[in-house]
Amino acid sequence: NAGVTQTPKFQVLKTGQSMTLQCAQDMNHEYMSWYRQDPGMGLRLIHYSVGAGITDQGEVPNGYNVSRSTTEDFPLRLLSAAPSQTSVYFCASSYVRDRTRFEQFFGPGTRLTVL
Amino acid sequence: GDSVTQMEGPVTLSEEAFLTINCTYTATGYPSLFWYVQYPGEGLQLLLKATKADDKGSNKGFEATYRKETTSFHLEKGSVQVSDSAVYFCAFYNFNKFYFGSGTKLNVKP
Repeated sequence: NAGVTQTPKFQVLKTGQSMTLQCAQDMNHEYMSWYRQDPGMGLRLIHYSVGAGITDQGEVPNGYNVSRSTTEDFPLRLLSAAPSQTSVYFCASSYVRDRTRFEQFFGPGTRLTVL
Repeated sequence: GDSVTQMEGPVTLSEEAFLTINCTYTATGYPSLFWYVQYPGEGLQLLLKATKADDKGSNKGFEATYRKETTSFHLEKGSVQVSDSAVYFCAFYNFNKFYFGSGTKLNVKP
């Protein structure tokens, strides 16, 4: 198993550009989520999905879109990049049907800089 | 709203010292509680978890007990090693959402 993979590892954008951060998992997890990590603020939930075709907003969804057309993939789209979106982005997945087995597996992260 | 509060760092200890990192949470219902660890340049890894009141999670010498009466989940280790140097995050899962604390950086000196 590759686990949770993210691409790219690093990205530099100019203000106003759009891009998609890719996330994939091969563990057949229903639950997938995106976080941003900023210094001193821990991880904040952007969007999450409890299954293919189902997505919902987290704590900081503005400026980001997601879709979940397959169980494996959960891309995050930045519509019009802003310097405030400079951050490290983590994707995670989990099996959720059994509460005692709930454990999020994290990808390695994407470091995004918006100039 | 739901939130996690954990002690600020950095925490600097000598090798073999006792470690406590405090964590309290605000949540409705009965959340599952977690501690995650992040080594430099890496993603988060699950360290331990507890899913109901009075459960004790443990792993690699670390322990934490789910205290519903005080809404706390403090992380402890009896004797830290240099290799434990990392950032530790307290978190809980409730109603399809994960909430993280701001992280506590631990530096262990030889």
